[in-house]
Amino acid sequence: GNSVTQMEGPVTLSEEAFLTINCTYTATGYPSLFWYVQYPGEGLQLLLKATKADDKGSNKGFEATYRKETTSFHLEKGSVQVSDSAVYFCALITGGFKTIFGAGTRLFVKA
Amino acid sequence: GAVVSQHPSRVICKSGTSVKIECRSLDFQATTMFWYRQFPKQSLMLMATSNEGSKATYEQGVEKDKFLINHASLTLSTLTVTSAHPEDSSFYICSARDPFSGSEYEQYFGPGTRLTVT
Repeated sequence: GNSVTQMEGPVTLSEEAFLTINCTYTATGYPSLFWYVQYPGEGLQLLLKATKADDKGSNKGFEATYRKETTSFHLEKGSVQVSDSAVYFCALITGGFKTIFGAGTRLFVKA
Repeated sequence: GAVVSQHPSRVICKSGTSVKIECRSLDFQATTMFWYRQFPKQSLMLMATSNEGSKATYEQGVEKDKFLINHASLTLSTLTVTSAHPEDSSFYICSARDPFSGSEYEQYFGPGTRLTVT
């Protein structure tokens, strides 16, 4: 079946450090891939997406590239800020609008 | 941007009672809403897809008689947990699609409802 696996957290970084959160997926067909972010006390927000192989999604300094050969969609940011502290969810949609989420990775950024 | 609200944010109920959770799209009409359940340190699990004016479509393993979903208007869907038991304690999250958003994939999520059954 379809599934998403992302690295366990929490991830703790100092401000301006480089961030990578790994995400791999298993899916039939050709899924669209997403990263969502959940700030404390708020609902999930779409951070970025990629709908086909080799696409790169980017937003707010975050990037992720759809790698079909490694079935991965790792999230990266060159320099994190305290305000990036949140929970990040990798997700996929394949057919219809059913979204399958990873377990989420909590990020803490220290000043 | 599009906003989805949930009410209540937290609820505590006694075992055997029923509790209703509301999900509202505040500034758009949502033809489709989704209900998820999230266990601690686990991913969101889709429970059901709710379409306005028709019966909800439940995912395999979700008891439709226990988790009643009603989507009576384009801005409101409700989830009623009937005869609640402690194992129903969880974080329930709804999301809604705006068919006119220009993005066929985008869903807008509510902040979630923490249900505790004692």
